[in-house]
Amino acid sequence: SQQGEEDPQALSIQEGENATMNCSYKTSINNLQWYRQNSGRGLVHLILIRSNEREKHSGRLRVTLDTSKKSSSLLITASRAADTASYFCATVVSGGYQKVTFGTGTKLQVIP
Amino acid sequence: EAQVTQNPRYLITVTGKKLTVTCSQNMNHEYMSWYRQDPGLGLRQIYYSMNVEVTDKGDVPEGYKVSRKEKRNFPLILESPSPNQTSLYFCASSSFGSANNEQFFGPGTRLTVL
Repeated sequence: SQQGEEDPQALSIQEGENATMNCSYKTSINNLQWYRQNSGRGLVHLILIRSNEREKHSGRLRVTLDTSKKSSSLLITASRAADTASYFCATVVSGGYQKVTFGTGTKLQVIP
Repeated sequence: EAQVTQNPRYLITVTGKKLTVTCSQNMNHEYMSWYRQDPGLGLRQIYYSMNVEVTDKGDVPEGYKVSRKEKRNFPLILESPSPNQTSLYFCASSSFGSANNEQFFGPGTRLTVL
């Protein structure tokens, strides 16, 4: 079953606005990653947050993780038209193995 | 250039005709994985490999086989494809030594089973 569920499924904003996407999961994890996908292409890694971290920044990206609520959020600030893509969270559970479970994704449209 | 390659990129086949989708990475990564992507379902892990000769099932392994005889290659085998295996397939690899544990994805293989 899907570990990560994301909302909203789709988001449309104006260029310059902030975009927030949320991800919820069901079991304990080692880390959570966010990926971006442009229209049917391969995914590109954006940022990783470990289970003992609460917040992480990378450029215009801010990720938070709340392990008590089993949820994460990705904030893209000052969005650009080039940010238009689908965004996926991926939870990683490891320990002699490494299972990766992706969410269903949020489709972001940034209108110029 | 560091990359993950998949072949073929597009494939149309018929039910029951065995096929193999190849995946190769040139980054000396230990970990490799196969996913399928279907509308509304996101990516689901089919099989993964922690290293040579070490493979394990993901969430949707039924109807698929894999092998990891060499570190760089991780082929996905469909012994008897069925229409419900029509999907977009991605191979990915990562290094356990990487601080970001990021997976590098191939460009995808779009498979249609008639």
